[in-house]
Amino acid sequence: NAGVTQTPKFRVLKTGQSMTLLCAQDMNHEYMYWYRQDPGMGLRLIHYSVGEGTTAKGEVPDGYNVSRLKKQNFLLGLESAAPSQTSVYFCASSFRDRAQETQYFGPGTRLLVL
Amino acid sequence: AQSVTQLGSHVSVSEGALVLLRCNYSSSVPPYLFWYVQYPNQGLQLLLKYTSAATLVKGINGFEAEFKKSETSFHLTKPSAHMSDAAEYFCAVSGSLAAGNKLTFGGGTRVLVKP
Repeated sequence: NAGVTQTPKFRVLKTGQSMTLLCAQDMNHEYMYWYRQDPGMGLRLIHYSVGEGTTAKGEVPDGYNVSRLKKQNFLLGLESAAPSQTSVYFCASSFRDRAQETQYFGPGTRLLVL
Repeated sequence: AQSVTQLGSHVSVSEGALVLLRCNYSSSVPPYLFWYVQYPNQGLQLLLKYTSAATLVKGINGFEAEFKKSETSFHLTKPSAHMSDAAEYFCAVSGSLAAGNKLTFGGGTRVLVKP
């Protein structure tokens, strides 16, 4: 049982390049989330998904797109990277049942945009 | 709408001393409240959570937190700090099921433990 895994762990991009971050969970969770973490700002929600084929915007969605084609995977895409997107990205997942709604986090992806 | 405020971005405590991390929240629905810990270069790990049962919640590693509705607070404490408690701590509030159980995080408090 690997929990929540993220690939890659670290990436350097040039401004304007694109990339996709992959999140996978093996806990059969319905809900999945993408956050970014910046110093002093805690974690801020980018996009989330309440089920396969469904996504919604979070607090800071601009410049990002997501897809959830399979229940266990949640992809975060950057179409044209900007230096402001330099951050640490975390994926999380949880059950739908509010009584079990603890979010489980992946180890993070460090992204540097030059 | 919901928000979380953590007072103090950095806290320094001596080993063996009380750890107190402050968290105040606002929420338009009955809140679920969480404390997460992040060790260097790692993801977030759940310490404890309040889900409308007992107001005093015990978590892992000797931490506990008390939900006080009248004060809209959920402060985290540990009676005796250990060197291994050096980490960053995040308080978070959850919205309703209809809102996808989204978490809103505070800015975090980094704890330094002095020998």
